[in-house]
Amino acid sequence: DAKTTQPPSMDCAEGRAANLPCNHSTISGNEYVYWYRQIHSQGPQYIIHGLKNNETNEMASLIITEDRKSSTLILPHATLRDTAVYYCIVYTASKLTFGTGTRLQVTL
Amino acid sequence: KAGVTQTPRYLIKTRGQQVTLSCSPISGHRSVSWYQQTPGQGLQFLFEYFSETQRNKGNFPGRFSGRQFSNSRSEMNVSTLELGDSALYLCASSLNRANYGYTFGSGTRLTVV
Repeated sequence: DAKTTQPPSMDCAEGRAANLPCNHSTISGNEYVYWYRQIHSQGPQYIIHGLKNNETNEMASLIITEDRKSSTLILPHATLRDTAVYYCIVYTASKLTFGTGTRLQVTL
Repeated sequence: KAGVTQTPRYLIKTRGQQVTLSCSPISGHRSVSWYQQTPGQGLQFLFEYFSETQRNKGNFPGRFSGRQFSNSRSEMNVSTLELGDSALYLCASSLNRANYGYTFGSGTRLTVV
């Protein structure tokens, strides 16, 4: 399974953009990149996913490099409620393989 | 629309017992997956069902089993419980295997004593 590498933690000031990087250098051509987040011990919440092109929805933007070996999740205006663990996942063989994620702390 | 519903929310069992957890997916979703989350191992994939067929299985012992019914509702069973089975068990449903996001339930927190 393609592995992902994320920084263990990041801080972001409220109102600023949060840019969360992810490395997935072993990704295959037909594998999607998914981003989820988990707040406390709730179930993970879907944020966005993409294959090759950059994607944007009401929550975030996903920037995937041309070689697809890395991606960045962008929360344009982070709020305190965005404090969570963010998981970058390569979807393979009908399963999501979660790594350890990035703990994003949004501060005043 | 209603989300993914997992019952019960909390459960306490004794070592050696067995337990059955239930998951009702979002209406129309035919894919149901199960995950185990522990502080030490993080989120780990258990298995995935689609149209009553198990299509993928994670690296868990045979004590962990599941099934899916014709209405897409799913159950997972753990037999001969061990202390290490204490975890948050999460169910996720999807409209399609591939390029749709999975929606997770709030989970069942199982404590084995």
